Amino acid sequence: QVQLQESGPGLVKPAETLSLTCTLSGGSFSNGNSYWNWVRQPAGRGLEWIGHVKPSGTTRYNPSLKNRVTIWLDTSKNQFSLTVNSVTAEDTAMYFCARETYHYDNNGYYFFDSWGPGTLVAVSS
Amino acid sequence: EVEMTQSLATVSVSPGDRATLPCRASQRISINLAWYQQKPGQSPRLLIYGASIRATGVPARFSGSGSGTDFTLTISSLESEDFAVYYCQQYYEWPRTFGQGTKVEIK
Repeated sequence: QVQLQESGPGLVKPAETLSLTCTLSGGSFSNGNSYWNWVRQPAGRGLEWIGHVKPSGTTRYNPSLKNRVTIWLDTSKNQFSLTVNSVTAEDTAMYFCARETYHYDNNGYYFFDSWGPGTLVAVSS
Repeated sequence: EVEMTQSLATVSVSPGDRATLPCRASQRISINLAWYQQKPGQSPRLLIYGASIRATGVPARFSGSGSGTDFTLTISSLESEDFAVYYCQQYYEWPRTFGQGTKVEIK
């Protein structure tokens, strides 16, 4: 069974870079039907998709984050990582890593079926 | 970007009653919609995809309906473990977008 676990600093200073890692266990990044995502959730608010990396290394990001985001895969460590540059207080949130699976059964479906427990990141001086 | 609107911020329901949670997309998304349940301090859990297909292990009291722009999650007979926040999410296009969530609370 796939398990995901986020890790990284819980406190980042304004204007600096937020860096998080997600470690995968019980599965492999080689499945071409899985995309590896970051999603965040400010306290008491909804979910915001940040971006994903495919097994090929191809990435896609949310335009709302204005080119501040990078996601990459390290298959040798069974990890994928996130950086967010030039952080402000608005980047304070719970950050989740999640797998999005593509499933075909007469129709094509995508869904986020595995999530890490999340890690809280605060931006403050 | 497809904007997802969950018009009910909170729904107060008694155990054993039915809860009906609406979700609207800003453009037609066919059946490319999923529902998630999130309890305090936990990550979201997939309930429904394809607008109406229950994920593995999801009880039959959860059902989804709709297509195009209007969708509904129905919980037929609420149990204590169902009191949580529910999010709809479109996967018609990227960026993936979620509704603001509907909290189902005990009446």
